[in-house]
Amino acid sequence: DAKTTQPPSMDCAEGRAANLPCNHSTISGNEYVYWYRQIHSQGPQYIIHGLKNNETNEMASLIITEDRKSSTLILPHATLRDTAVYYCIVQNYGGSQGNLIFGKGTKLSVKP
Amino acid sequence: GAVVSQHPSWVICKSGTSVKIECRSLDFQATTMFWYRQFPKQSLMLMATSNEGSKATYEQGVEKDKFLINHASLTLSTLTVTSAHPEDSSFYICSATRTGQVQETQYFGPGTRLLVL
Repeated sequence: DAKTTQPPSMDCAEGRAANLPCNHSTISGNEYVYWYRQIHSQGPQYIIHGLKNNETNEMASLIITEDRKSSTLILPHATLRDTAVYYCIVQNYGGSQGNLIFGKGTKLSVKP
Repeated sequence: GAVVSQHPSWVICKSGTSVKIECRSLDFQATTMFWYRQFPKQSLMLMATSNEGSKATYEQGVEKDKFLINHASLTLSTLTVTSAHPEDSSFYICSATRTGQVQETQYFGPGTRLLVL
């Protein structure tokens, strides 16, 4: 079973920030928080990951709470092309064992 | 960087035939590649982990004799669905991790849609 819980769906207006929450209350010290998204009929796309510090890249920002039990993915200016299912996943450090367990994710709909 | 391709993007075959799907890392070397399967309206499920030069490790419930995996080079892994049946119809997706990367982010291919008639 996935170690994360996410709302099943969210709407966001085009041009506004999309804030996608994720709960991972059982996360252990050596587990990273990863975010991927899957646009319809495509393979998942890596977005960002972090351990305990907030992270930012060209796609998004990741805010991790101090206790690491939850995080928020922020798309600062959502566009229609950001409509996708967003997956929050915890993965062991150095985890090359395929332990990316995909839950049901959050279906983000960006509306004009 | 970190581009993964799959071929073919879609395939239709008759029941009982075998289908080979290729997964390539285009701009990096990948010691480890993964194969996932996704049924309609469901999430991705890991099928097997493929390591270059060694036998693949299959997840529980995945038949290794039916889903043959070969990882002969650092840029290519293949999945062969043998004696395909309609219940094997699915979206097959591979991913790869960079050789030598400390924290091993998985980069996914675009997927291969298989329809078995």
